[in-house]
Amino acid sequence: DTAVSQTPKYLVTQMGNDKSIKCEQNLGHDTMYWYKQDSKKFLKIMFSYNNKELIINETVPNRFSPKSPDKAHLNLHINSLELGDSAVYFCASSQQGTTGELFFGEGSRLTVL
Amino acid sequence: GENVEQHPSTLSVQEGDSAVIKCTYSDSASNYFPWYKQELGKRPQLIIDIRSNVGEKKDQRIAVTLNKTAKHFSLHITETQPEDSAVYFCAATLREGGADGLTFGKGTHLIIQP
Repeated sequence: DTAVSQTPKYLVTQMGNDKSIKCEQNLGHDTMYWYKQDSKKFLKIMFSYNNKELIINETVPNRFSPKSPDKAHLNLHINSLELGDSAVYFCASSQQGTTGELFFGEGSRLTVL
Repeated sequence: GENVEQHPSTLSVQEGDSAVIKCTYSDSASNYFPWYKQELGKRPQLIIDIRSNVGEKKDQRIAVTLNKTAKHFSLHITETQPEDSAVYFCAATLREGGADGLTFGKGTHLIIQP
């Protein structure tokens, strides 16, 4: 009964490749996010989607493209991977109109060689 | 946008002692201040939160205080135990329940010494 699940959990790839991370939530939330956690543990928001509509797009390179086929899914596609993209990517969800508590997935550790 | 500063970056305390982590925020319109705990290799999870209309909130060994005038809030953990060892993040949001997400502080690595 995982609330927010993301796959894959680990991803090792070469520079220049394209990769995707998938996220699904079964909480019925209408807002989903992607956060990036770097090696220093800093958690930074990348994107926010509300009912499949992009709300926030922080200063993220356009090599990163989120896609939300429905409000329960938010995928992240990354083109032309660079060494600096190595990080843990967390998907999260929340319900508008409530406390705003974020429910995080387990994270996807991306390593670019 | 909101900016959240968190101190210290690392905190080491003896088991049984208290730990205090402090945060400041920049936007006086922020109204919701949660704290998340992230154990090694795990996801961040909410441990306690406070809203702008409340000055203090307590849940067993953890408490949060908020000073809106000074724009700072703090996490207090009493009688620390080994399982309290983790990275703690404070956060703030401009619109509680909105779709803006949370702006996190840079985290505090809390180490409980036996």
